[in-house]
Amino acid sequence: AQSVSQHNHHVILSEAASLELGCNYSYGGTVNLFWYVQYPGQHLQLLLKYFSGDPLVKGIKGFEAEFIKSKFSFNLRKPSVQWSDTAEYFCAVNDPNAGNMLTFGGGTRLMVKP
Amino acid sequence: ETGVTQTPRHLVMGMTNKKSLKCEQHLGHNAMYWYKQSAKKPLELMFVYSLEERVENNSVPSRFSPECPNSSHLFLHLHTLQPEDSALYLCASSQEPGRGNTEAFFGQGTRLTVV
Repeated sequence: AQSVSQHNHHVILSEAASLELGCNYSYGGTVNLFWYVQYPGQHLQLLLKYFSGDPLVKGIKGFEAEFIKSKFSFNLRKPSVQWSDTAEYFCAVNDPNAGNMLTFGGGTRLMVKP
Repeated sequence: ETGVTQTPRHLVMGMTNKKSLKCEQHLGHNAMYWYKQSAKKPLELMFVYSLEERVENNSVPSRFSPECPNSSHLFLHLHTLQPEDSALYLCASSQEPGRGNTEAFFGQGTRLTVV
């Protein structure tokens, strides 16, 4: 079965700092990769996704992620965070050949200090 | 709004009660899911329905009973729950694999407290 690891459970940054959140998955075949964000009191929403093509994916709100197949990684980045980026971030993976079932990482809680 | 609506938003129930969670999607999707989000644990997939048939049941206790009467509605029937079942229950929907975009859309969840 798939497993997804997010090694940073809590991250605290000051505004304008750069962000990188790690995500590693276990499955070696073709996968779809996602980053979701959950702002306080709100639903999970998609930040960005990778299905195929350019491994550097641009998402909403200035986020991007890079798929590195050899490292089984899909790290999330943002050059300059804002206070409004305070949220919990979830990496997710599915195997398109085994049903559209998302496996989530444990989440990373980001706090951005103003 | 995501197009996935869950009711109620909050529920407090005793261990001997029977209650149901409801999820409705207006996106024309064919697959629906129940996830459990507990503190300090990863999101756990509970049930998957594809074209109204259950395709996944991740060893969920029988005190949780899903129902999918049509592709737009999903229920989670609860009975004789335990305090450790207190969590945020999330519903999601998506197109089936092989039909292009497989992104999942989530509802806002039902915050369940078992007392």
